[in-house]
Amino acid sequence: SQQGEEDPQALSIQEGENATMNCSYKTSINNLQWYRQNSGRGLVHLILIRSNEREKHSGRLRVTLDTSKKSSSLLITASRAADTASYFCATGHMDTGRRALTFGSGTRLQVQP
Amino acid sequence: GAVVSQHPSRVICKSGTSVKIECRSLDFQATTMFWYRQFPKQSLMLMATSNEGSKATYEQGVEKDKFLINHASLTLSTLTVTSAHPEDSSFYICSGTSGGLTDTQYFGPGTRLTVL
Repeated sequence: SQQGEEDPQALSIQEGENATMNCSYKTSINNLQWYRQNSGRGLVHLILIRSNEREKHSGRLRVTLDTSKKSSSLLITASRAADTASYFCATGHMDTGRRALTFGSGTRLQVQP
Repeated sequence: GAVVSQHPSRVICKSGTSVKIECRSLDFQATTMFWYRQFPKQSLMLMATSNEGSKATYEQGVEKDKFLINHASLTLSTLTVTSAHPEDSSFYICSGTSGGLTDTQYFGPGTRLTVL
């Protein structure tokens, strides 16, 4: 079952603005990952942050993780129209050897040119 | 990053027929592969986990006799939807992991199944 909830469900911004998406989860994790999905396409891995990390950067992406609050955020700076997509957080667990990811509900981002 | 392919990308079939979807890891050995299903405007839901050479582990509510999974090699896993019905129409996505320390899963481009 899904354990991640994402907020907001949909976000519309102008090109050049920053976009912030939040993800909350329920149980303990080993890592949290963010993925991007263009409509009707597969998933593209964006960034992985481990449970002992608090912040990670990759280009225009900044991810934070607060394990005490069981939440993470994805910030896309200086957004572009090409950033329009759905963004999912996914949590990884290693309990009982289960290695599948549990996906959040996703945020649909629309960047207006 | 590592590449995973899926074939076919789209398939339309009649109700009652079976459809096989292939998932291949092209440049790494996928010790574990996962199959997900995604309905329109929804998130990915895990269907099953397969390890090379062993039986797949299915999630609760997923019929193992309907969704046959075979992971015969470290680079190939197949999902067969047997006796497909319109409610099986969905986007099926596979992913693979080499089991390294990064725990990163690499996803295929997905297969759009439409059952008439």
